[in-house]
Amino acid sequence: EIVLTQSPATLSLSPGERATLSCGASQSVSREYLAWYQQRPGLAPRLLIYDASKRATGISDRFSGSGSGTDFTLTISRLEPEDFAVYYCQQYGDSWATFGPGTKVDIK
Amino acid sequence: QVQLQESGPGLVRPSETLSLTCTVSHFSINRGYYWGWIRQPPGKGLEWIGTISHSGSPYFNPSLKSRVTLLLDTSKNQLSLMFSSVTAADTAMYYCGRGTAASTWFDCWGQGTLVTVSS
Repeated sequence: EIVLTQSPATLSLSPGERATLSCGASQSVSREYLAWYQQRPGLAPRLLIYDASKRATGISDRFSGSGSGTDFTLTISRLEPEDFAVYYCQQYGDSWATFGPGTKVDIK
Repeated sequence: QVQLQESGPGLVRPSETLSLTCTVSHFSINRGYYWGWIRQPPGKGLEWIGTISHSGSPYFNPSLKSRVTLLLDTSKNQLSLMFSSVTAADTAMYYCGRGTAASTWFDCWGQGTLVTVSS
């Protein structure tokens, strides 16, 4: 099982600021098979990024993903009010897909 | 646009079997893709349960495999999850989703259905 960690647990920022979220893996993620999801309260997760850096259909270019091996990053260039949510990373390079514990981005 | 909708009992008694259905609209599940189940205990993170291919081949989270059955009903365009011997630890929001492989990201999700395990 590949264990994912996310940091920070909570990120307090203001609208318009840049957010940088980290996801670390206990072992190298094959083929950079890593995704990022956004989950707003009471809603299902929404896919933002897959294959570490590819934006999903309809996702704003304010969201970007990068990384390889065991270290990955989600960057939100300028926070909009609707971006305050919880973000999860997920690896699917292993036959046992696993999720990170999440980073909450809240309003400062 | 493909839509997914979970359904099932909101309350299940301990030691019983949980059965959920996911109805897929605007896409025939036997045309392609993989179809999965993910759960989220209240206030906690996400856990992959398993995925089934469009041809009916299942893939499981090893930690849950002994208790999980995944099925496709192409005549109803539905996938189903059966989870045996449930305990309070299985209380969660259960989501179905669409993916592209056995171990996959999910680009479409249902709204989820909350299942509580309690006597």
